[in-house]
Amino acid sequence: DTAVSQTPKYLVTQMGNDKSIKCEQNLGHDTMYWYKQDSKKFLKIMFSYNNKELIINETVPNRFSPKSPDKAHLNLHINSLELGDSAVYFCASKGPGSPEQYFGPGTRLTVT
Amino acid sequence: AQRVTQPEKLLSVFKGAPVELKCNYSYSGSPELFWYVQYSRQRLQLLLRHISRESIKGFTADLNKGETSFHLKKPFAQEEDSAMYYCALSPREGGGNKLTFGTGTQLKVEL
Repeated sequence: DTAVSQTPKYLVTQMGNDKSIKCEQNLGHDTMYWYKQDSKKFLKIMFSYNNKELIINETVPNRFSPKSPDKAHLNLHINSLELGDSAVYFCASKGPGSPEQYFGPGTRLTVT
Repeated sequence: AQRVTQPEKLLSVFKGAPVELKCNYSYSGSPELFWYVQYSRQRLQLLLRHISRESIKGFTADLNKGETSFHLKKPFAQEEDSAMYYCALSPREGGGNKLTFGTGTQLKVEL
């Protein structure tokens, strides 16, 4: 009964490909996030959705497109992958009234 | 704009020694401060938050508004404390509860 899950865990792909990472939470939270952790372990927010609506969109290339089909899911689609996209992507969720964010296990993306 | 600074990329201490992981922040409003920990190959998890004033796994952190700091301390380091520690800031109101993380400090506890 994992709270926040991501698939896949590892993703190795070539430059120029399009790929998606999926995130699901079973905590009943209404806010979900995507973070990117680079090779230096620097963690930066990319997007946030609240009740399926985009509320945070940091300076991220428009090759990245989040999609939230419902409150429990927030997927990340990446077009035309580049070498610099190689990183660990973390999904997180948060419930109303509490600032604590619960993180998924991460998806390690390697672009070759 | 909100900003979190962790000046040490790596901190190495011996088992039983005191630990202090530094965190400074800048934010014009009223912030909430957190410490998150990431053990090797595990997900990020909340260690503690300043408003709860708890001690978790022997760690404490006090918010010093005058120095805009939120340093993490533990009197006696244990081997299992070895991990990556992130200080994070969130606005108290608005901003979508956006968490801004510091660059992280890798704590290594040696025997």
